[in-house]
Formats: sequence, structure tokens, C-alpha cells
Amino acid sequence: NAGVTQTPKFRILKIGQSMTLQCTQDMNHNYMYWYRQDPGMGLKLIYYSVGAGITDKGEVPNGYNVSRSTTEDFPLRLELAAPSQTSVYFCASSPDPYRDRGEQYFGPGTRLTVT
Amino acid sequence: QQQVKQSPQSLIVQKGGISIINCAYENTAFDYFPWYQQFPGKGPALLIAIRPDVSEKKEGRFTISFNKSAKQFSLHIMDSQPGDSATYFCAARWGSQGNLIFGKGTKLSVKP
Repeated sequence: NAGVTQTPKFRILKIGQSMTLQCTQDMNHNYMYWYRQDPGMGLKLIYYSVGAGITDKGEVPNGYNVSRSTTEDFPLRLELAAPSQTSVYFCASSPDPYRDRGEQYFGPGTRLTVT
Repeated sequence: QQQVKQSPQSLIVQKGGISIINCAYENTAFDYFPWYQQFPGKGPALLIAIRPDVSEKKEGRFTISFNKSAKQFSLHIMDSQPGDSATYFCAARWGSQGNLIFGKGTKLSVKP
């Protein structure tokens, strides 16, 4: 199993550009998440999904959009990139947050710079 | 209050020493408290977790102490090793979807 994979690893965007961060998991997990990590600020939940076709906002959804057409994929769309979206983005998946240890499995991250 | 307060922000410990990281919360609806470990350039990974009806959970050199009345919990790393150098995040689970609220993280450096 590859686990959770994210592409690209690094990206530089100009202000106003758009892009999609890709996330794929091969563990057949229903739950998927997007977080952003800023220095000294921990992980903030952007969006999450509890299954294909179902998404919901997290703590910091403004400026982002998601879709979940399959169990495996959970892309994050940035429209009109702003410097405030400079961050490291992590995708995660979980079989069930209330089962076993409720573990979330994280991808390796995408480092995004908006200039 | 949907937040978890974590301290210290950074910690330097000598090899063989004990590392202690503290977290506090206000929301009594939180029902599960995991700790995640993150190495540079990697995503976080679950290290150890505890339920609020348990006062202590030990896995190897890692122990969580939980004080429900004080709404505080802490991670203790015994016999700290240079390989433990990483950023540690406490978290709390809440809501019907089981989402996590993360603390701001503690960067641990273990000196040889």
C-alpha cells in the first residue's frame, strides 16, 4: 500500500492564479481531510469528507474548494491564490474516527508559496 | 472553546532525560486525546492516545497522563533519545464526525 499520496510536493504560485492539490489514498478509507500547517500554529482543518459525494467545511475553508467523486481521491482547489495561502498542506485519511485508535493517516504534504 | 493549548513551544532535553509536554482544554465534549509525532519534511503520525476515563496510558517510553478534573493532559518521554527529536502535537476529538482539534505543537530537540 502506498498509503496517502499528495502531488505536487512543492509549488510556487503567483497571486491570483489557481491550482489543484491532489490527494489519493489506497486504503479504502471513508474519511478524508485537508489541513494546512503554518509555523507555530499547528494543523488547521480546511475541509473534510465522510465518503464519496459528501464534503463539509472545517475551521478555515475560505478560499478553498473540494470535491469527492471517488473514495480514493480528495482534491483541494485554490481559486485566486493569495499570499495568506502560503502554507504546507496535508491530506489525511481515516477508516473511522470512532473505531480502534481513530487514527488519521497523513500524506507527505505539499509546500505552497504564493508570491 | 474549540481549542487545545499546548506548551512549551520548544524543548531541549539531554539524551536519557525526561521530556514533558503539556496540553489543556476547556470543552468537556472532547472524548479522545491523541498525540501525533512529526519529523521534518514528513506528515504527522499517531504516537499514542488516551480516553478521558483513563488516567494514564503507557506505550514503551511514551506515557500520557490525563487529569480530567483539571482538563489537562501531558506526554512524557522517558529516556529521551536523539531519534525522538521531532515536533509533537496534542489533539482532541469532538463532534459526531470525530474531527480533531490540534495544539500548536512542541519542537523537541534531544541533545546527545
